[in-house]
Amino acid sequence: DVKVTQSSRYLVKRTGEKVFLECVQDMDHENMFWYRQDPGLGLRLIYFSYDVKMKEKGDIPEGYSVSREKKERFSLILESASTNQTSMYLCASSLPWTGVDEKLFFGSGTQLSVL
Amino acid sequence: SQQGEEDPQALSIQEGENATMNCSYKTSINNLQWYRQNSGRGLVHLILIRSNEREKHSGRLRVTLDTSKKSSSLLITASRAADTASYFCATDGTGNQFYFGTGTSLTVIP
Repeated sequence: DVKVTQSSRYLVKRTGEKVFLECVQDMDHENMFWYRQDPGLGLRLIYFSYDVKMKEKGDIPEGYSVSREKKERFSLILESASTNQTSMYLCASSLPWTGVDEKLFFGSGTQLSVL
Repeated sequence: SQQGEEDPQALSIQEGENATMNCSYKTSINNLQWYRQNSGRGLVHLILIRSNEREKHSGRLRVTLDTSKKSSSLLITASRAADTASYFCATDGTGNQFYFGTGTSLTVIP
């Protein structure tokens, strides 16, 4: 089975801190994604990457950056954490789009609280 | 935004009953998927239906797709307490993206 591992289940940070959320997948997937999930808003795409060192903005990239130096690892960076970034962060991976089987595999999520 | 919408937002049923939830979306799709999320956890893929399919089954799950109405439904038959979770539909967008709905919270009462 595909395993997507997020480094922390719960994280508490102070306003203004730089925050790193790490995600590792073990199935050699090309695509990796970062979503945030807020009550009533569903999942919103922050950034995604379809190859090493490649990144694309999603719907809400402001205040975030990403890094993909290795195929299995996709990091989300909050340059200067703010209280409105308190959320559940979900990492996912998938095979490339082929029209065959593009399902997402998710990590367990990181609940980030910014105080 | 291309985000879809699930309906109802919340659903509460007795064990053994069927649960139906609906998804509407905005743009043309290649496929539509349903995911399940247990409280505080990541999402798990349930089923994928392609735009040229109208109905698909997987165990107790039945999914329908009406591309003319841009809508899909997920039916869970003979529900169990363990089916209690949130259910999301997701549609594929351009450039390797998925767009998720806001979810239906299902409670199955033993």
